[in-house]
Amino acid sequence: DGGITQSPKYLFRKEGQNVTLSCEQNLNHDAMYWYRQDPGQGLRLIYYSQIVNDFQKGDIAEGYSVSREKKESFPLTVTSAQKNPTAFYLCASSFGQMNTEAFFGQGTRLTVV
Amino acid sequence: QKEVEQDPGPLSVPEGAIVSLNCTYSNSAFQYFMWYRQYSRKGPELLMYTYSSGNKEDGRFTAQVDKSSKYISLFIRDSQPSDSATYLCAMIPSNFGNEKLTFGTGTRLTIIP
Repeated sequence: DGGITQSPKYLFRKEGQNVTLSCEQNLNHDAMYWYRQDPGQGLRLIYYSQIVNDFQKGDIAEGYSVSREKKESFPLTVTSAQKNPTAFYLCASSFGQMNTEAFFGQGTRLTVV
Repeated sequence: QKEVEQDPGPLSVPEGAIVSLNCTYSNSAFQYFMWYRQYSRKGPELLMYTYSSGNKEDGRFTAQVDKSSKYISLFIRDSQPSDSATYLCAMIPSNFGNEKLTFGTGTRLTIIP
C-alpha cells in the first residue's frame, strides 16, 4: 500500500535533548512538508522540500532542522533550541509541486517531560 | 487578523441533519480551496478541492466557494456518526511552485446518533 509513514506515534523527550521524527513515503512524491498542529492554531508549516538535497524554511522553522538525502525520506529534528516543542507533528507529501493534493501521515505526538 | 478564519466549534448536530461548515479569508489571491477531515489523533485526509468560485459535489459532500465574499463552505448531507471529526479548510494562490497552504484552525464536528 502506498502512503506516508511517520514514526514513532508517541515520543517523550527530556528538556534539553534533541529528538528526530521520521517520515517516509512510497508515493514517489517529489515534495514533502512538516507541519506542527497546536490546539486553536491549525497547521503551521515548519519546513518543506520540493527536491532531494533542497529544502526551505516555513513559517516557524526556528528550533527545527531537516534533511532530504533521499526522495522517500524527510526527517525532522526538534532541537533543544525549540522553546515549546510539545505538539502534534504532521508530515505530508505531494506529487511534483501540486500543493492541492497533499497527503498526510498519521502524525507524531511529541511531549517534553 | 488571520488570513483564514474558521469557527472552532464544537458543533453538534443530530444524525441525518445537513451540516454547514464555513471559512472566511482575507487574501484575494487565493484560487484553490481544500477541505480536509481529521479524526482524533490522526493525520488530515483530503476530502475535496475546488478552483475559483462555484460548487463541487462528491457524494454527500458539497464544497462551495464565493470569491466575491471571500467565503467558502462545506455541506454534508445525511450526516452520519462516522462524519464526527475536525474539518480543516485550506487555501493557496496557485497549484504550482513555492506557494504554501494556509489552513484554518479547524471545526470540531460531532454527529449525535
